[in-house]
Amino acid sequence: DGGITQSPKYLFRKEGQNVTLSCEQNLNHDAMYWYRQDPGQGLRLIYYSQIVNDFQKGDIAEGYSVSREKKESFPLTVTSAQKNPTAFYLCASSRGVRPSLSQETQYFGPGTRLLVL
Amino acid sequence: GQNIDQPTEMTATEGAIVQINCTYQTSGFNGLFWYQQHAGEAPTFLSYNVLDGLEEKGRFSSFLSRSKGYSYLLLKELQMKDSASYLCAPRPMGGGNKLTFGTGTQLKVEL
Repeated sequence: DGGITQSPKYLFRKEGQNVTLSCEQNLNHDAMYWYRQDPGQGLRLIYYSQIVNDFQKGDIAEGYSVSREKKESFPLTVTSAQKNPTAFYLCASSRGVRPSLSQETQYFGPGTRLLVL
Repeated sequence: GQNIDQPTEMTATEGAIVQINCTYQTSGFNGLFWYQQHAGEAPTFLSYNVLDGLEEKGRFSSFLSRSKGYSYLLLKELQMKDSASYLCAPRPMGGGNKLTFGTGTQLKVEL
């Protein structure tokens, strides 16, 4: 069945360590997104990609990096430069066809909860 | 910039009707989404409005007034499983499919 998967469900990071969160989709969607959610705050966009081999910074990209080498995969690396990484990380995807003219619903994966040791 | 305002919390009784309001100011406007999010889970899509008026989908309806920068989500015949956070997300113009999410309204349904 089609959908978006994220792994792991929980991830622990030590000080100064880089960690990578996985996001895979088999919906044949062109666009993919990474959000961060903190308690009492809305989802904030970290990075997004509208097509393979291309991605754009969102509102809070500092301390994060991404790659988009394959259509179905959009991994997020939380680097040691991100000083407050504890949060719930959500990956989403959408078809990516001319969003200015259409309903372009984003569908979310189950999320990864990152905790700092 | 983007500014989205939703009530933080609401409480309602099982079987009742509740209206969750959202006001927004965005750089242009290109549609508004409502999502439901249960605690610890991913948001799930509820509705989309791009023209003024009411969109009805089963127990859930969503209304939009573009001139007032206002939307609401109407939930009828409330059930306990409707206890969740409801996220308002307008889509600004010119940003591809970037959404701006409000902080969400935590709805608690009681017996």
